[in-house]
Amino acid sequence: EAGVTQSPRYAVLQEGQAVSFWCDPISGHDTLYWYQQPRDQGPQLLVYFRDEAVIDNSQLPSDRFSAVRPKGTNSTLKIQSAKQGDTATYLCASSFLGRGDTQYFGPGTRLLVL
Amino acid sequence: AQKVTQTQTSISVVEKTTVTMDCVYETRDSSYFLFWYKQTASGEIVFLIRQDSYKKENATVGHYSLNFQKPKSSIGLIITATQIEDSAVYFCAMREGNNNNAPRFGAGTKLSVKP
Repeated sequence: EAGVTQSPRYAVLQEGQAVSFWCDPISGHDTLYWYQQPRDQGPQLLVYFRDEAVIDNSQLPSDRFSAVRPKGTNSTLKIQSAKQGDTATYLCASSFLGRGDTQYFGPGTRLLVL
Repeated sequence: AQKVTQTQTSISVVEKTTVTMDCVYETRDSSYFLFWYKQTASGEIVFLIRQDSYKKENATVGHYSLNFQKPKSSIGLIITATQIEDSAVYFCAMREGNNNNAPRFGAGTKLSVKP
């Protein structure tokens, strides 16, 4: 069974630039999460979906961040105008509610904003 | 609101010994799920073990086991016969029983296993 895949693996931006991250969850997983992990900290939830519906986006900086999962499979997280404070690893995870909802993580995208 | 606290920033042990990593949580729900994950130096996060709140028996998987103390809201991870490759950052996470809650993570404990 293929794991969670993410792309790109690395991104380097100047402040003000936009970037998109893409995630392909484990096949059959109905729930998809995006986490931000600053250096030396634990993952912090940004947004998560069940199928195509947003369940919780209360931690997503809505003025610059957006996330979609239009068909309930792949998802895209976008930062409209990056700031140096956005420097972090962006992690995608997926789970299946019917199997106890254990999360499985992708390799992450390391973002550096200069 | 759910909260997860890992007070040990780092631990260093000699290989083949046993180590315990602490985690305490806060929740108002009577039903919840507890998880431990390992993050390797490459950044990969791997699921290790889970404990469902309604289960009284401590979970065990390979050389990982849990010390679930429900009255103390505590879920310790025990690694027996540690190996060099166990060196990593370990995260505790909790999800409340409502299906619309996402897991929240602690800050992590860095484990160094030395020869």
